[in-house]
Amino acid sequence: EIVLTQSPGTLSLSPGERATLSCRASQSVGANYLAWHQQKPGQAPRLLIQGASTRATGVPDRFSGSGSGTDFTLTISRLEPEDFAVYYCQQYASSPYTFGQGTKVEIK
Amino acid sequence: QVQLVQSRAEIAKPGSSVKVSCRVSGTIYSIYSLNWVRQAPGQRLEWLGGIIPRTGEVDYAQNLQGRVTITADDSTATAYMEIVGLRSDDSAIYFCAKSGMLMRVFEIWGQGSLVSVSS
Repeated sequence: EIVLTQSPGTLSLSPGERATLSCRASQSVGANYLAWHQQKPGQAPRLLIQGASTRATGVPDRFSGSGSGTDFTLTISRLEPEDFAVYYCQQYASSPYTFGQGTKVEIK
Repeated sequence: QVQLVQSRAEIAKPGSSVKVSCRVSGTIYSIYSLNWVRQAPGQRLEWLGGIIPRTGEVDYAQNLQGRVTITADDSTATAYMEIVGLRSDDSAIYFCAKSGMLMRVFEIWGQGSLVSVSS
């Protein structure tokens, strides 16, 4: 099983600031079979990024993903009020398909 | 626009079973998989298994040790997930999520079904 470890656990930032979230895999996720999801309180997760760097339909371009192999990053260039949420990385390289423990981006 | 509509919340007793449904609203033209992911309080998201409604092919994570069964009715575009032998730590929100047949990117999520296990 591929274990995903996200850091930091919580990121306290102000609107307009840049957020950098990390996800590390216990083994390579192949051809970048890594996705990022956003979850707001009381809501289902929402797909943001797949293939490590491809934004899902309708996702603003302030969200970007990068990385390969075992180390991945989600960057939010300038935080908008609606971006404060929990972010999860997810690998789909091999079953079982696993998630990181999440990074909470909160308002400072 | 495709949406996944799940059944309502359930309260169940330890040792009993629960069955949650997920209906596809809208038309999906490609072959797809419906997956089940649960979120227990304070725990990370956990993939339980998935099914391709068109073929009935199903795969499971090992974590529930055979207590979960996933089925689907392609004619009604509905998937079902049943868990037997419920324990208190099965209390969670259960989400269904659509992915491609091969690439398990969870593109569309249902609203979630809360299952509470309590005596």
